[in-house]
Amino acid sequence: GNSVTQMEGPVTLSEEAFLTINCTYTATGYPSLFWYVQYPGEGLQLLLKATKADDKGSNKGFEATYRKETTSFHLEKGSVQVSDSAVYFCALGLSGTYKYIFGTGTRLKVLA
Amino acid sequence: NAGVTQTPKFQVLKTGQSMTLQCAQDMNHEYMSWYRQDPGMGLRLIHYSVGAGITDQGEVPNGYNVSRSTTEDFPLRLLSAAPSQTSVYFCASIKGTGTSGELFFGEGSRLTVL
Repeated sequence: GNSVTQMEGPVTLSEEAFLTINCTYTATGYPSLFWYVQYPGEGLQLLLKATKADDKGSNKGFEATYRKETTSFHLEKGSVQVSDSAVYFCALGLSGTYKYIFGTGTRLKVLA
Repeated sequence: NAGVTQTPKFQVLKTGQSMTLQCAQDMNHEYMSWYRQDPGMGLRLIHYSVGAGITDQGEVPNGYNVSRSTTEDFPLRLLSAAPSQTSVYFCASIKGTGTSGELFFGEGSRLTVL
């Protein structure tokens, strides 16, 4: 079936450290891939997306590349800030439908 | 811009009570949906709608009803609340068509069923 698997957290980093949050997926067809971020007490908001293989999504210093050969969409940031502390969700949108599947979320805590 | 507005933000119910979670969006999005968020399980789709008068079931529809009489509103009804429905509920709409579009989420409604 269709699914998204992302690394369990929490992930704790010092400010300015390099961040990687792994995400792999299983899906039929050609899904769109997303990273959403949820700050405390808020709803999810789109961080970045990629709609086809080899596309790179980027926003606010975060990047992720749609890798069809490895069915992955890992999130990276070169230098995290305390303000990046949040829960990050990897998600896919099933092509030809209006259905999205979310991973379980990875909590990131950045220490000053 | 109001975006997606959910009410109430917090609610406590007793088992067997009914209630409606309200969702409204002012972006003229055709697609709207309801998710529940539970620890360790991410977000799961309850029901969705691709336009006024059209609704369909998601992954976990049991115990919930929806209707879509206008483009703006998409209420979620719990007919007889159960403790298993304790969760945080998010309403979301899509900008664009299909699943390449961006989901816009409300701030969530935290429901506790005793």
